[in-house]
Amino acid sequence: DADVTQTPRNRITKTGKRIMLECSQTKGHDRMYWYRQDPGLGLRLIYYSFDVKDINKGEISDGYSVSRQAQAKFSLSLESAIPNQTALYFCATSDPNGTPGDEQYFGPGTRLTVT
Amino acid sequence: AQSVTQPDIHITVSEGASLELRCNYSYGATPYLFWYVQSPGQGLQLLLKYFSGDTLVQGIKGFEAEFKRSQSSFNLRKPSVHWSDAAEYFCAVGGSSASKIIFGSGTRLSIRP
Repeated sequence: DADVTQTPRNRITKTGKRIMLECSQTKGHDRMYWYRQDPGLGLRLIYYSFDVKDINKGEISDGYSVSRQAQAKFSLSLESAIPNQTALYFCATSDPNGTPGDEQYFGPGTRLTVT
Repeated sequence: AQSVTQPDIHITVSEGASLELRCNYSYGATPYLFWYVQSPGQGLQLLLKYFSGDTLVQGIKGFEAEFKRSQSSFNLRKPSVHWSDAAEYFCAVGGSSASKIIFGSGTRLSIRP
């Protein structure tokens, strides 16, 4: 089984709808991240969490919110989806007490299309 | 400001040819450097990382990278590419206690038969 899973893998939604993307991990890591990937822009950080009680904004948090329900679960919500949120979304985890440099482990991604 | 630059958006090489993907970084402290690969439809997988010691780092799938502090570079190399190496490659930089990793914009590698 994959260490980092994301659901759904693909989603098409309409402008104005609320949508939640979910991430679960079995690695036992405290740190979790949400990124979006757009062609030519690489990965940009949306939100990150160092533990269940710690939530931090990344560089592009506007229009998004997150919830860290447990150490293993980190959800990303779009309260009112808009077309420019169409992207590939990745969840990642890391363990700062493990390998130096905060190596991250990625889920398979969720492709979101907002029409 | 912290940043990562991958100057090549797309590179095409012939199967069996050598490969070098460029990465330049700007980071105020001692950098921790990474190369990730993203195969089509997949998440990112770590190829290799550098955080101290020997500046030539060996990774998986026959890749290596060399850290050159004087040039602020961390270029990825492979002596002979295979068709299965076609993917997008991301360079990234972080620090020992960094809250996050900064990714470059990626280089897409195509392999010519």
